[in-house]
Amino acid sequence: GAVVSQHPSWVICKSGTSVKIECRSLDFQATTMFWYRQFPKQSLMLMATSNEGSKATYEQGVEKDKFLINHASLTLSTLTVTSAHPEDSSFYICSARRDSTGNEQFFGPGTRLTVL
Amino acid sequence: RKEVEQDPGPFNVPEGATVAFNCTYSNSASQSFFWYRQDCRKEPKLLMSVYSSGNEDGRFTAQLNRASQYISLLIRDSKLSDSATYLCVVTDSWGKFQFGAGTQVVVTP
Repeated sequence: GAVVSQHPSWVICKSGTSVKIECRSLDFQATTMFWYRQFPKQSLMLMATSNEGSKATYEQGVEKDKFLINHASLTLSTLTVTSAHPEDSSFYICSARRDSTGNEQFFGPGTRLTVL
Repeated sequence: RKEVEQDPGPFNVPEGATVAFNCTYSNSASQSFFWYRQDCRKEPKLLMSVYSSGNEDGRFTAQLNRASQYISLLIRDSKLSDSATYLCVVTDSWGKFQFGAGTQVVVTP
């Protein structure tokens, strides 16, 4: 068990458009999900913590109006990159923490975003 | 100073050899420790948790040294399929993951 899916797996878009990425926990409930971003040869950087039924908690330096997070159910969180620009091109990875167990996070396969 | 630091490598290891590397962390209140493996352009996958007494999972051995604030990973009898980037993860008291930038291991025939 503990499978997390992400959709889409890759997306190419024009500058100025918005892109929505979905993260689903397929076989467990996840009150808490996390959104990370990874640039080439760098570590995963936590962008925000997504909490079901409440507002997301953003890390310092991450614009909440640019990266909209919605966690409407116990199995789905979405990240919308609004008015994307080339510098937003990155590998976006979500993870979910299973409600019934401890700290372990299960990662989705990631979404590679390229903004032209 | 970064919260979690790793030697980026690459560590070039002949097949069948042993390789070991460390990860240091700055927050003495860190709660949990993990090693994840990340293949190129893929998501991280949990390799093993790291326990205070040290633990082993097949060819992989992890150690935690709280006094010196580091964890280590040792890979015995390296296989070609062990080639990957190994990410050190440390959690704070809120369960938030702090990732190292990874140590690249390249196993050669």
